[in-house]
Amino acid sequence: GQSLEQPSEVTAVEGAIVQINCTYQTSGFYGLSWYQQHDGGAPTFLSYNALDGLEETGRFSSFLSRSDSYGYLLLQELQMKDSASYFCAVRDGSTGGFKTIFGAGTRLFVKA
Amino acid sequence: DTGVSQDPRHKITKRGQNVTFRCDPISEHNRLYWYRQTLGQGPEFLTYFQNEAQLEKSRLLSDRFSAERPKGSFSTLEIQRTEQGDSAMYLCASSSVPGQGLNEKLFFGSGTQLSVL
Repeated sequence: GQSLEQPSEVTAVEGAIVQINCTYQTSGFYGLSWYQQHDGGAPTFLSYNALDGLEETGRFSSFLSRSDSYGYLLLQELQMKDSASYFCAVRDGSTGGFKTIFGAGTRLFVKA
Repeated sequence: DTGVSQDPRHKITKRGQNVTFRCDPISEHNRLYWYRQTLGQGPEFLTYFQNEAQLEKSRLLSDRFSAERPKGSFSTLEIQRTEQGDSAMYLCASSSVPGQGLNEKLFFGSGTQLSVL
């Protein structure tokens, strides 16, 4: 099967930097992605890593280490609007198809 | 609006009734997913389609759940003999993936909130 672990909650101050970690287990890993979901809203795509290293998109960066089965999402210059849930998700091929499986999510609280 | 649309937005039903939800994906997308989400949890994979073919269904999913995508466009998710434990947000997502190992960016609909009384 597949499993993903990420912290349930993180709190940070406006303007700060926060890192949300994700570890995963799957026998058919093809990539790690991150989604953001505001209360009452649908998840929206943030980033994807298939290879080791850092991908940067504006204030958000995502990192992957395939050898450690680990990744993180880095949010810089935090704004109040970044308060949301963040999900890591693996593109998993362990059952023959290539489906996207989500973690339980990390709730980010940004304080003024 | 060319995003993913789901209907209805809310559904209240009595235990034991059947319900059906509809999802219209982005028109050029060949893959369509159904997920279930409860409060404080991540989207739980239910099933997915590539074009009209249902490629996988979660082993945890009861036989009361069935999904179709008859012409490779819209999809329906039916739950028979609903139970209170079926109460959740049912999310549909679509993507266009050219092959394995490439980035899959899912576009989600706003979901159908099911309440089983």
